[in-house]
Amino acid sequence: AQSVTQLGSHVSVSEGALVLLRCNYSSSVPPYLFWYVQYPNQGLQLLLKYTSAATLVKGINGFEAEFKKSETSFHLTKPSAHMSDAAEYFCAVSYTNAGKSTFGDGTTLTVKP
Amino acid sequence: DTGVSQDPRHKITKRGQNVTFRCDPISEHNRLYWYRQTLGQGPEFLTYFQNEAQLEKSRLLSDRFSAERPKGSFSTLEIQRTEQGDSAMYLCASTPTSSTDTQYFGPGTRLTVL
Repeated sequence: AQSVTQLGSHVSVSEGALVLLRCNYSSSVPPYLFWYVQYPNQGLQLLLKYTSAATLVKGINGFEAEFKKSETSFHLTKPSAHMSDAAEYFCAVSYTNAGKSTFGDGTTLTVKP
Repeated sequence: DTGVSQDPRHKITKRGQNVTFRCDPISEHNRLYWYRQTLGQGPEFLTYFQNEAQLEKSRLLSDRFSAERPKGSFSTLEIQRTEQGDSAMYLCASTPTSSTDTQYFGPGTRLTVL
């Protein structure tokens, strides 16, 4: 069975500071890993995905994530937070490229001016 | 490409009533997924279709829930005899069955059961 744990349901950073959102997964087979962002009353938008190619994945809006198999982690980072980054972020894992995903419970990112 | 659309965006109903939601995927996307998202949690998988075939259903999908995709295009999700615990955001996503693995999500339908 696959599962996702997002450490920290709320993260607050100052504008311009580093953003680090943590995600650990468990999967019995090599996983596909995703980060999504969700703004209020909207659906989920894909930020980036890991599909067994490069372990450092670059996504949209300056976000990137690194797949670390030994740590079963896929943490999301951004060097400099912007006010528009305030949203809820979800990490997800699936077995296959186009298969169903298992999501973490989300991390709400607050960006202080 | 107009994206995945869902209708209605909001639904308020009384306990015991039936409700139906519609999802229109991106044109020519073969796979269509339904997820449920309750407050403070991530989306949970409910079911998915490849074309008109329903290939998998979660144990979360009780007998009161039924989903269809009759012509392999739009899909409907019906909840019979709604309960307060059904209050949630119902999300639809679609993806082509090709090398791309991105699920494109709709804006969701927020259901409130009074």
